[in-house]
Order: sequence, then structure tokens, then C-alpha cells
Amino acid sequence: DVKVTQSSRYLVKRTGEKVFLECVQDMDHENMFWYRQDPGLGLRLIYFSYDVKMKEKGDIPEGYSVSREKKERFSLILESASTNQTSMYLCASRREGQSYEQYFGPGTRLTVT
Amino acid sequence: GNSVTQMEGPVTLSEEAFLTINCTYTATGYPSLFWYVQYPGEGLQLLLKATKADDKGSNKGFEATYRKETTSFHLEKGSVQVSDSAVYFCALSVLGLGGGSNYKLTFGKGTLLTVNP
Repeated sequence: DVKVTQSSRYLVKRTGEKVFLECVQDMDHENMFWYRQDPGLGLRLIYFSYDVKMKEKGDIPEGYSVSREKKERFSLILESASTNQTSMYLCASRREGQSYEQYFGPGTRLTVT
Repeated sequence: GNSVTQMEGPVTLSEEAFLTINCTYTATGYPSLFWYVQYPGEGLQLLLKATKADDKGSNKGFEATYRKETTSFHLEKGSVQVSDSAVYFCALSVLGLGGGSNYKLTFGKGTLLTVNP
């Protein structure tokens, strides 16, 4: 079974802190994704990476950056956390190709105070 | 652009009732279509998928048919159970601008289903 793990289930940070969210997948997938999920807004794509060291902006990249130095790991970075970044963050991975589904991690609920 | 519209919830049913959650889409190109389910406190997991017109995806008693003529992918189940209570997301995957590896999922906003005993 594909496994996607995220470093924390719950995280509380202060405004202005630098925050790292880590995601690791064990199926040698080429593509990895970061989403945030908010009530009434569904899932919104922040960034994705289709290969090591490659990244592309999603629909809401402002205030975020990413890093993919190794194929299995995709990190989301909040350079200076703000209260409007309080959300559920979901990581996903997928084998490259249109018909392949994405596999999701359990999510990290981040609260910025 | 690409978009997915699914019926607004919440949907509340009694056990053994028939379920339909409507999903329609717009896409530039020929998409693959997916239904994901999110149980309370968990991430999303794939429920079923269809990759070409008239395909029927099915899993755990749920099914959905890819209808290209009506750009729809409605989710149905003949008899729901309490354990089906979850949020359901319709999604599409299509090659983005520039081709290459630019396959992204576009999600609907989700439909909360509650099944009462």
C-alpha cells in the first residue's frame, strides 16, 4: 500500500514564526502536492512538484514556498506565519500520468496564534 | 479553465436510503474523473475513478458513470450505511497548459453526508 506521512497531525505556531511541514511518500512517486483545506472552500492547491527539484505554483502560492531535494520528500515552508494561514494542510503524491490518482496523507492541522 | 461543481450539502439520509451526489465539470481537454472520500479526522482517499467516456467506476457499493455528453460524474449508492458518513469530493485531472507533467487535480468543494441509523 502507498503510504504518505506528514510530520505532525497538530501544530500550533505564533505569528511571524517560520514553519516547516514535511511530507514523505514511500512509493517512488514522481509528483507531489500541497493543499490547504478550509470549510466552504474545499481543497486548494498551494504548490506541486512533478520531479525532484522541480516545483510549480498552484492556485494560492502567496506566503508559501516549497522544497523537494529528494524524490520521497516534499516540504512546505511558511516563511512568516500569519493567522490567515491557520488551516488543514494536506500532502499528496501520485505516479506521473493523467489517469493516476493522488494518495493523501492524514493532514496537519496548523493553528497560528 | 477547469472546474468541478458538486451539489451543496449537507445531505442527511436514513440508513438504507438511496444516495445521489451530483457532479458536473468543465475542462479544457479530456479529463480523468475521480471521487474521493474523507472520513472524520482523516485525509482523502480514492473511492472510485473513470478515465474515459462511458466508463463506470465502482467501489464499496458506490458507482459513478463518466458522461461526456452531459459533462457529469454523479455518485450513487443503492443503500447507505452509517459508516458512509463522510465528506465526498468530485475531482478531475487534465493536462494543463504547457503539457509535460502538468497534471493537476481540480476538486469540487465537497459534500458532507450524514447517515442516521
